[in-house]
Amino acid sequence: GNSVTQMEGPVTLSEEAFLTINCTYTATGYPSLFWYVQYPGEGLQLLLKATKADDKGSNKGFEATYRKETTSFHLEKGSVQVSDSAVYFCALTGANSKLTFGKGITLSVRP
Amino acid sequence: DAGITQSPRHKVTETGTPVTLRCHQTENHRYMYWYRQDPGHGLRLIHYSYGVKDTDKGEVSDGYSVSRSKTEDFLLTLESATSSQTSVYFCAISELINTEAFFGQGTRLTVV
Repeated sequence: GNSVTQMEGPVTLSEEAFLTINCTYTATGYPSLFWYVQYPGEGLQLLLKATKADDKGSNKGFEATYRKETTSFHLEKGSVQVSDSAVYFCALTGANSKLTFGKGITLSVRP
Repeated sequence: DAGITQSPRHKVTETGTPVTLRCHQTENHRYMYWYRQDPGHGLRLIHYSYGVKDTDKGEVSDGYSVSRSKTEDFLLTLESATSSQTSVYFCAISELINTEAFFGQGTRLTVV
């Protein structure tokens, strides 16, 4: 079946640091890949997505590239802000399957 | 933002009592989902619906039932609440089974 593996957390960074959050997946066929963000006390929001190999999703300074050869969809941001402190979830869908989520990782950004 | 409303937003209930959580959407999306979120477990799918009166189980469906009598409403019922069902519950919707889902704000349920 489909699965998503995220790096262990939590992650703590200083403001303006570079961020990488690793995500790898197992799926048959050609899944679509997503990053969701959950701010404290809120529901999940779609941050970005990519639907085919080599696509790059981007939003709010975050980027992730769909790498089929390494089955990865790592999230990056060049300079994090305190307001980026949240929980980040990697997820995928298959051709006829529902969203499968990773366990999420908590990011804390210090001023 | 997708039009998804969960009610109530917070609830405290006693063990053994029935509880119903409501999800209402204004997007006319076919698919609706109930998840629970617990520390260390991420999001786990409880039940989902693929149309009016069409529902199926997720990975943690024991102790829960659902109903969807109208496109816009998806109800989650805990027949007899237990302390292990203390959690944050999220409703989500999607147009298709394999597209992104949009989430409600969540319901924090405490079973005492």
